[in-house]
Amino acid sequence: EADIYQTPRYLVIGTGKKITLECSQTMGHDKMYWYQQDPGMELHLIHYSYGVNSTEKGDLSSESTVSRIRTEHFPLTLESARPSHTSQYLCASSESRGRQETQYFGPGTRLLVL
Amino acid sequence: AQSVAQPEDQVNVAEGNPLTVKCTYSVSGNPYLFWYVQYPNRGLQFLLKYITGDNLVKGSYGFEAEFNKSQTSFHLKKPSALVSDSALYFCAVRDWNTDKLIFGTGTRLQVFP
Repeated sequence: EADIYQTPRYLVIGTGKKITLECSQTMGHDKMYWYQQDPGMELHLIHYSYGVNSTEKGDLSSESTVSRIRTEHFPLTLESARPSHTSQYLCASSESRGRQETQYFGPGTRLLVL
Repeated sequence: AQSVAQPEDQVNVAEGNPLTVKCTYSVSGNPYLFWYVQYPNRGLQFLLKYITGDNLVKGSYGFEAEFNKSQTSFHLKKPSALVSDSALYFCAVRDWNTDKLIFGTGTRLQVFP
């Protein structure tokens, strides 16, 4: 198991609330990623970071935002949650080894917005 | 553009039988290929990867994958399936332009006792 952690594991919240999904890793990896996983299984990259103070949007447009102030920490924030945000969110990290690098995933946060 | 395809949404196999989960790829350049497994209510776990070298790659939990350049395939295999192998399996390829992982749509493996 990789040393990457996500909290909370499950979250049920009302529409309009602000939420932050936490992701941290103790492996010293430079690169971190957020994926959104549909109920139908597909994974979509929504944000990534290649180091401190570096963040980029992924392939799927998302209303969430991220920050990378510390190497080990990559939180994702939704300013105003909506039912369309209901999904599973997976965080991953990898060390910079070029194309051989392997991404390691956290356990995920399952979000339900009512 | 780089891509992977997993042609089967679900694969059913009896316990003790060999299993194969299929993946084909499309890349410009040398492919860097990965397999991940996802158990219920969990994140993805890395199983194995092909970078270069032997076409048969051995990974975790008794899984292996065979790289076939002529057929552009990277099928996941196991000689004898276990009920505990039932999970969702994802194939992925690294995009040479962006260095990101491109995931397939996933295949649900169901192993019956």
